[in-house]
Amino acid sequence: SQTIHQWPATLVQPVGSPLSLECTVEGTSNPNLYWYRQAAGRGLQLLFYSVGIGQISSEVPQNLSASRPQDRQFILSSKKLLLSDSGFYLCAWSSLGLAGTDTQYFGPGTRLTVL
Amino acid sequence: QQQVKQSPQSLIVQKGGISIINCAYENTAFDYFPWYQQFPGKGPALLIAIRPDVSEKKEGRFTISFNKSAKQFSLHIMDSQPGDSATYFCAAKKGGYNKLIFGAGTRLAVHP
Repeated sequence: SQTIHQWPATLVQPVGSPLSLECTVEGTSNPNLYWYRQAAGRGLQLLFYSVGIGQISSEVPQNLSASRPQDRQFILSSKKLLLSDSGFYLCAWSSLGLAGTDTQYFGPGTRLTVL
Repeated sequence: QQQVKQSPQSLIVQKGGISIINCAYENTAFDYFPWYQQFPGKGPALLIAIRPDVSEKKEGRFTISFNKSAKQFSLHIMDSQPGDSATYFCAAKKGGYNKLIFGAGTRLAVHP
């Protein structure tokens, strides 16, 4: 079965510090990968998606970047965090290879607080 | 045209009652409409989903009603239970890469 991991689970960082969040998927190959941000009490905003190694598409201009160094690894980074980067970061995967499904499966999330 | 509008923002239902959450969209190219359930501090989990060629889909106590002409779809939770208390998100997908556009969410509280 497929599983998705995210770490760390929680993170408190000062303004101006760098950021690296990691997401890995097990049990599937060539997944589509996604990073979302969820502000407190709000909906999910798609930040980045990737259809393959090294292929990253950005949905919104911002202080963040993403990379996909391996097939099942997706990394969200920032060089200098802003207060507005606080939120709940969710990684998700989907597979166009599975017949009849467009489902995205979400990881457990990382709670980021920038002080 | 890329938005999905969800209502109400919050909902209180008595145990055993029916919870109804509505979503509306503009883009007729959307071809997949999932509902996600999210508990506090957890990632969203797929609850039920529908495609526009079907007007209704039922799974247990959860039903999606889909009105293609009105560009609206809704989630009905029958016999609502306190364990259903969570935030519910509707979403819509267009085309490849499985990119989803999410509604703003509905916080449901089921009182015993």
